[in-house]
Amino acid sequence: SQTIHQWPATLVQPVGSPLSLECTVEGTSNPNLYWYRQAAGRGLQLLFYSVGIGQISSEVPQNLSASRPQDRQFILSSKKLLLSDSGFYLCAWSAGSGGDYEQYFGPGTRLTVT
Amino acid sequence: GQSLEQPSEVTAVEGAIVQINCTYQTSGFYGLSWYQQHDGGAPTFLSYNALDGLEETGRFSSFLSRSDSYGYLLLQELQMKDSASYFCAVIDRGYFNKFYFGSGTKLNVKP
Repeated sequence: SQTIHQWPATLVQPVGSPLSLECTVEGTSNPNLYWYRQAAGRGLQLLFYSVGIGQISSEVPQNLSASRPQDRQFILSSKKLLLSDSGFYLCAWSAGSGGDYEQYFGPGTRLTVT
Repeated sequence: GQSLEQPSEVTAVEGAIVQINCTYQTSGFYGLSWYQQHDGGAPTFLSYNALDGLEETGRFSSFLSRSDSYGYLLLQELQMKDSASYFCAVIDRGYFNKFYFGSGTKLNVKP
C-alpha cells in the first residue's frame, strides 16, 4: 500500500531563518506531487506541483521554492522566512499520467514563524 | 483563474441530513471532488464527480451540474464524528491534474 511521510510535524522558526520541509512517498512510482499551504481556518492554497524529477511548477510567486531530487521525494525550501510563511504545510500525491482524481495527503507540518 | 464558493459554516443535529453547496468558476474543468478534514488533521478524500448526477458512497452523496458550475455534498444520518471541515476541489486537467480547493465549510453536529 502507498504511504506518504512528512517531517517535521511542527516547527518554530525565527524570521529570516532558512526552511526545509521534506515529503516522501512509498509504494507508488512516478507520482504527481504537490505542496499546499493552509492558513488557520482557511482552504488549501496550491504552492507547487511536480510531474517528475526536476520538474517543478509554481502556482504563486512567493518566498518559497520546491525541488524534486528523486522520484518520490519532494522538498519545500526557503532561504529567509517571513512572518506570512506561517501555516500548515501539506504534501500530497496523485497517480501520474493524469490517471487519478484522488489526492492523498501527508500528515502535514505546522510552521510558526516568530 | 479558479474560484470556488462554499458556505463558511453549517450546523445540524445528530441524525439529520445536511447539504453543503459549492459553486465554481474555472478553466479546464475536469471534475469536482470533496474532502473531509478534522481539526489538526490532513484532508481525506470523500467523493468525486466528473459527470452530471449523483454519486452515492454510504451516508455521503455528491452531486454535480456542469452546466450550472455547481455541486453539493449530502451527508445523511449525521453523527458527531462528522463534525469537520468539508472542502470542494475542482480538478483542472491540463497536462496533468491540478487541484484547486474551496475555502471549506465547517460542519458542527450537535446532539
